[in-house]
Order: sequence, then structure tokens, then C-alpha cells
Amino acid sequence: DQQVKQNSPSLSVQEGRISILNCDYTNSMFDYFLWYKKYPAEGPTFLISISSIKDKNEDGRFTVFLNKSAKHLSLHIVPSQPGDSAVYFCAASEGSQGNLIFGKGTKLSVKP
Amino acid sequence: KAGVTQTPRYLIKTRGQQVTLSCSPISGHRSVSWYQQTPGQGLQFLFEYFSETQRNKGNFPGRFSGRQFSNSRSEMNVSTLELGDSALYLCASTSGQGTDTQYFGPGTRLTVL
Repeated sequence: DQQVKQNSPSLSVQEGRISILNCDYTNSMFDYFLWYKKYPAEGPTFLISISSIKDKNEDGRFTVFLNKSAKHLSLHIVPSQPGDSAVYFCAASEGSQGNLIFGKGTKLSVKP
Repeated sequence: KAGVTQTPRYLIKTRGQQVTLSCSPISGHRSVSWYQQTPGQGLQFLFEYFSETQRNKGNFPGRFSGRQFSNSRSEMNVSTLELGDSALYLCASTSGQGTDTQYFGPGTRLTVL
């Protein structure tokens, strides 16, 4: 059973607009959440993270929101740029354990 | 600071052979985790090593094993390769203490023929 779910396999957005990527999880013990960006045949690149004690974290154009009661998090990219086109993975972990649980990814396409 | 490095980047093997992949973590990081990425299963956790000890293990058969050296470098071994082992193998490193971000290497693309 998938503990981390990204229900949208793909998302297409116009350049300059907001991209919203969503992620749901089932394990209430998860306390650290991360978003990674990935290109084919490369390793994931860390974007932004959030601890379960927070509900929002911002870093430049990237903001992650966490709704613990709904077990839902989202990544907002504003404004979206063509260079943001990639697959975005949501990941979660429990405590200091070194095993991240990944969603299946959402492919973001930002059109000029 | 240099990032996580993995060698080799590409590897072609035949069924029944064994393979060893190497990962050098970011300087100062003591934890190395390994993941397998396939089109069907996505990114799946294999195991984590911290201070030369396996600290966590995913749901993979015993053909998949690993080890970590005193300098935190890690190796992963797959014995008796099967066609289904064709994948991108990724390693990630962290300090290993507390909640910490994992930084990934570029991966090793293994093809089993």
C-alpha cells in the first residue's frame, strides 16, 4: 500500500503562472517531508523541506504547505519558469530514519 | 563542498552475474542510503548505513547487500542478477543525526541482459 501518493502524473502550466503540486500521505508517524526535482537518468535534486511542527516553509519561488489533519502537502512554484519542467517527487520520513518514502512523481511542463 | 559521487555511471551485465556499485558521500556525512528507481515501482528504499552499520533495510531480497567503510564510503552489491534488476541505483547521504535532508548522487544505470 502506497504511503505517499501523488495523484497527478502530470501537470501543464503557462510560464509566469503558479504551479501547484500535491501530495497525500497515510502514515501519521511521518514528521519530515521533502520535495525533489528530477531529470531522467539523474539523481533527485533537493528543493525544499518542511517539518511536521510547521505548516509552511518558503524558499524563493518555492513554498511548501503542510496540512497535518488532512495528511496533505503541496508545493507552490511562483512564478513558474520553463526551466522548472521536470518530474517532482514528494518524500516523507519518520524521525531520523534514513529511509525516505517517495511518491510516484508528477511531471511538470511549463510552457513558454 | 563536493556532492555525492557514484561510480560507475553506467553498467551492463548479464543474468546471473554480480555487480558492485560505489558511493562516496558528502564530506562529513556519515549516513548513506541506497534507492532503486524503476519505471514501474518508482523510487524504493534499499538500505541505510550509518557508522559502518546497517541501520535500516527496505523490502528487497537478500541478493541485495551493502557495506560502509570507515571513511563513510559505501558499496552496494547485487548477486545473481535478474532482468528485473535493471534500474537506476541512487545513493544519498546525510549527517545521519536527527531529521536531516538527503542529498542524492547522479546514480548508476544498471542494465541486465
